[in-house]
Amino acid sequence: QVQLVQSGAEVKKPGASVKVSCKASGYTFSDYYMNWVRQAPGQGLEWMGMINPRGASTTYAQKFQGRVTMTRDTSTSTVYMELRSLTSEDTAVYYCARPSNSGWYDYWGQGTLVTVSS
Amino acid sequence: NFMLTQPHSVSEFPGKTVTISCTRSSGSIANNYVQWYQQRPGSSPTAVIYEDNQRPSGVPDRFSGSIDSSSNSASLTISGLKTEDEADYYCQSYDGSNRVFGGGTKLTVL
Repeated sequence: QVQLVQSGAEVKKPGASVKVSCKASGYTFSDYYMNWVRQAPGQGLEWMGMINPRGASTTYAQKFQGRVTMTRDTSTSTVYMELRSLTSEDTAVYYCARPSNSGWYDYWGQGTLVTVSS
Repeated sequence: NFMLTQPHSVSEFPGKTVTISCTRSSGSIANNYVQWYQQRPGSSPTAVIYEDNQRPSGVPDRFSGSIDSSSNSASLTISGLKTEDEADYYCQSYDGSNRVFGGGTKLTVL
């Protein structure tokens, strides 16, 4: 069965960076894009961007351009999302989400809480 | 970029029918599929409708989706409401490579 398992919660200071991982299993890793979506406390879902594991091409939401990097390691079927220059506004749960062949998100990771606090 | 606007909250009694709207700010709602996700507290979202009106396997037929080009909006309708339907619901669509979520609607089953 398809599983997306994310890394554990992180606490960071303002100005620092965070790197969240998402390990995929149960399907052919390179056949599906991976997206990242975040959710601030009590707020809605916000799309951050996506990576094509086959060639590592990326597309980022304009809001995060220059501050986010998504990478992948095909040997471990893992994708990573690094966010730099953190502020308290980046405190959120970060999800990886796999889109199906028709584009809707059929599998989600369990979420990783990133807390930015001095 | 476009926005998807949803009502902040809706409420209805068990057994009744509720409809949640999702209005697209620019570009035609009919040009790109709309998805709907349900999120219960402390859980990851799960899809209840994809491609405007398709239900993923396991989603009961009490859930249905539609689009209305005249109002440039999509709707999620839940009939025969159950207490377990109480959750946040998000619409989602796209434009090229850009994915957009609506702000979410909190459904309260009274």
